[in-house]
Amino acid sequence: GAGVSQSPRYKVAKRGQDVALRCDPISGHVSLFWYQQALGQGPEFLTYFQNEAQLDKSGLPSDRFFAERPEGSVSTLKIQRTQQEDSAVYLCASNSNRESTDTQYFGPGTRLTVL
Amino acid sequence: AQTVTQSQPEMSVQEAETVTLSCTYDTSESNYYLFWYKQPPSRQMILVIRQEAYKQQNATENRFSVNFQKAAKSFSLKISDSQLGDTAMYFCAFMNRDDKIIFGKGTRLHILP
Repeated sequence: GAGVSQSPRYKVAKRGQDVALRCDPISGHVSLFWYQQALGQGPEFLTYFQNEAQLDKSGLPSDRFFAERPEGSVSTLKIQRTQQEDSAVYLCASNSNRESTDTQYFGPGTRLTVL
Repeated sequence: AQTVTQSQPEMSVQEAETVTLSCTYDTSESNYYLFWYKQPPSRQMILVIRQEAYKQQNATENRFSVNFQKAAKSFSLKISDSQLGDTAMYFCAFMNRDDKIIFGKGTRLHILP
């Protein structure tokens, strides 16, 4: 595709529900990143994949957060038993360079609101 | 740990004026990358400009240029001939070889007609 796409764009969940957020990276991009952006803040790193391998998950805030990229393309960020503090915009980014110093291209984000 | 600080939460300038957004960062690394990203109200994060730390020459992209002072750990963005479409949130960001981008808290820039 022309750019990184994410779905849904908006998600409202009741506290305690599980949610799944999808990211479609730019075709052929090797690396994929997830970030969390709280209201009025800059994005914060969550996790990083190179192809299907999750190389860094140090930014995941708790074991309720889980990400996967089973075929090295589409990625899903899953949040179990959502809490109000999980409300944020979740951004996905991808880049093509195996050396990972290439520019990261961002998707439009998914705005998650937990009631 | 690396940190990125943007000391101007909000700025307003008249259209066609020049504006400079400030950014400082802290790192013990010698090789890293710095970025300015723009996030319009539609929320899509767009790369404005990037600078490799090993390059002494300041990066430029059309109306956008940076003043990179490595010793002072300063990385400011200058927007010349500002346009209404430049209205957005601007994030200064840092990346070293571990690929994580660390963002500042952002500067909200308003271009006034």
